[in-house]
This record gives sequence, structure tokens and C-alpha cells, in this order.
Amino acid sequence: DAKTTQPTSMDCAEGRAANLPCNHSTISGNEYVYWYRQIHSQGPQYIIHGLKNNETNEMASLIITEDRKSSTLILPHATLRDTAVYYCIVRVRMQTSYDKVIFGPGTSLSVIP
Amino acid sequence: DGGITQSPKYLFRKEGQNVTLSCEQNLNHDAMYWYRQDPGQGLRLIYYSQIVNDFQKGDIAEGYSVSREKKESFPLTVTSAQKNPTAFYLCASSMVVTGELFFGEGSRLTVL
Repeated sequence: DAKTTQPTSMDCAEGRAANLPCNHSTISGNEYVYWYRQIHSQGPQYIIHGLKNNETNEMASLIITEDRKSSTLILPHATLRDTAVYYCIVRVRMQTSYDKVIFGPGTSLSVIP
Repeated sequence: DGGITQSPKYLFRKEGQNVTLSCEQNLNHDAMYWYRQDPGQGLRLIYYSQIVNDFQKGDIAEGYSVSREKKESFPLTVTSAQKNPTAFYLCASSMVVTGELFFGEGSRLTVL
């Protein structure tokens, strides 16, 4: 089973920030939070990941709570091209790890003109 | 350019036939994965491999088989034992250390 829970769907107005929440209350100390997105009928695309500090890249920002039990992916200025399913997963990031990498159903984000 | 190539993109087969989906990567990644996706659903793990000549079952391995004879290649065979094989199949790879998954564009299998 997936170790994360996300809302099934969300809407966001074009140009506004999209805030996508993820709960991972059973996360272990050595597990990272990863975010991916999947545009219809394409392979998922990596967005960002983090351990406990907030992270930012050219695509998005990742805010992880201090207790690490939840996180929020922020798309600062959503565009119509950001309409996709967004997946939050947790996984160990160790050279000797042999992990499964389980994806839940994700959040379907619709950006409204 | 480096990446993951899945082929064919679309495949039609008759019921009872085995089908092999190709997945090749030139990213020098150690780990490779096969996922299945049904309409409106998330990704379900079929098989994964961390090194050559070794692979592990995922959550829905029944009716599927894989091989990992080369680091670059991880083909998936959908056998006639798979009860409902029509689906979108995704292959991914990752460096063990960094962890980011890189996905192919997928293969859509329809069994008639």
C-alpha cells in the first residue's frame, strides 16, 4: 500500500498558486518525500524531493512540516499546462536500498482559465 | 540524449497470446521498474530490478515475467495467464543513490 494520502482532486485559478497537500504520517527518518506529475497518457515527470528542509527548484517549492508527517507542493503561478495528476511518494534514498516505490492514486489538479 | 525508450507505443493482441514490451535506458541507472496503470487509477508496481540478473516481484506480478540480462534493458512479458492485460504500461529507472525515477512514455496494450 502507498504510504501517503492525498486529496482526490483540486482546482486552481490560472496565475494563482496551487498548493497540493500530502500526508505521510508513518514516514521513517531515512525516507525522502518525492513529487511527480503525470500529464494525461504520458509517463510521470519528476518535480522535486526533500528530507526535512524546504526545497525550491525551477518548477516548484516543497514545504515539509517540522514533524515530517505532511508536506505541501507549491506551484507558484499555475498555468493551464500544469493540469495533471500529482503524486506524492516516500522512499528511502540509500545505495543499498531495495525499495518498491509505491504510487498512490495522486491528486488530479485542474487549472481553470 | 539520455533517456528511457519504451516500445511499441501501441500494441494490439489477441487473447491468449504472450506479448513482450521493451524498455531500454541509456542513463546508466542501476534500478529499473515496471508499472501498470488502468484508466483513472494510480500506478501499480509489477516488477523491479536493482541489478543485472536480479529482480523482485511487485504488488501485481501474477501473469507477468521479466528478465534483466543487461543493465540497459528490462523487458516485460505479459503472458496468457494475466487475466486482464489491457492497460497502460510504464517503465522507469533510477540511480539507487539519488532516487529520482525517470519514466518512459509508456506502452498501451489492448487485448482483443
